[in-house]
Amino acid sequence: KNQVEQSPQSLIILEGKNCTLQCNYTVSPFSNLRWYKQDTGRGPVSLTIMTFSENTKSNGRYTATLDADTKQSSLHITASQLSDSASYICVVPNAGGTSYGKLTFGQGTILTVHP
Amino acid sequence: DAGITQSPRHKVTETGTPVTLRCHQTENHRYMYWYRQDPGHGLRLIHYSYGVKDTDKGEVSDGYSVSRSKTEDFLLTLESATSSQTSVYFCAISEASGSALQGEQYFGPGTRLTVT
Repeated sequence: KNQVEQSPQSLIILEGKNCTLQCNYTVSPFSNLRWYKQDTGRGPVSLTIMTFSENTKSNGRYTATLDADTKQSSLHITASQLSDSASYICVVPNAGGTSYGKLTFGQGTILTVHP
Repeated sequence: DAGITQSPRHKVTETGTPVTLRCHQTENHRYMYWYRQDPGHGLRLIHYSYGVKDTDKGEVSDGYSVSRSKTEDFLLTLESATSSQTSVYFCAISEASGSALQGEQYFGPGTRLTVT
């Protein structure tokens, strides 16, 4: 069964600190992996999309890494800000079989940044 | 929210009543999706549409129906609402062919539905 597992479930850090969120997936065959940010009461917004050939991709203070061999991805947030408080969701499209094209979502990591 | 609106944004209804949620887009994207989001679960696909009058089921479609009579509108109907359908519902759109595999999905602001 295609699955996306994220850790930790929740994380509290102080403003200005760095943090790393983890994502493990079992979706196969693999096409790409996405990280979304979801603010409270809003819909998810894409942060980055990584294909199997990309190891690292940055979007401002957000840096995503991908290891397609171990099926792991991480999202690193540098110099956190209060506005980074949100749920971060790892998403992998199904690239084959009866679920072709459908998205498998992780449960998300809830990040809280305290002043 | 990428030109996507959902209505209503909040709704409280009683068990057994019909409910219709509306998703409206101004992006002229071909693909539209309905998801539900519940604590302890990732977003789950209910139904999706790949064109006007072309729809298909997702992984949690029981108890839901959809219709798409125009490119810009995608309706989700709960024929007889149950408490298990209390959830936050998100609409999404995608431009790419082959659904979401290559293309980005853009999400609406969500509708919070409570069934009492």
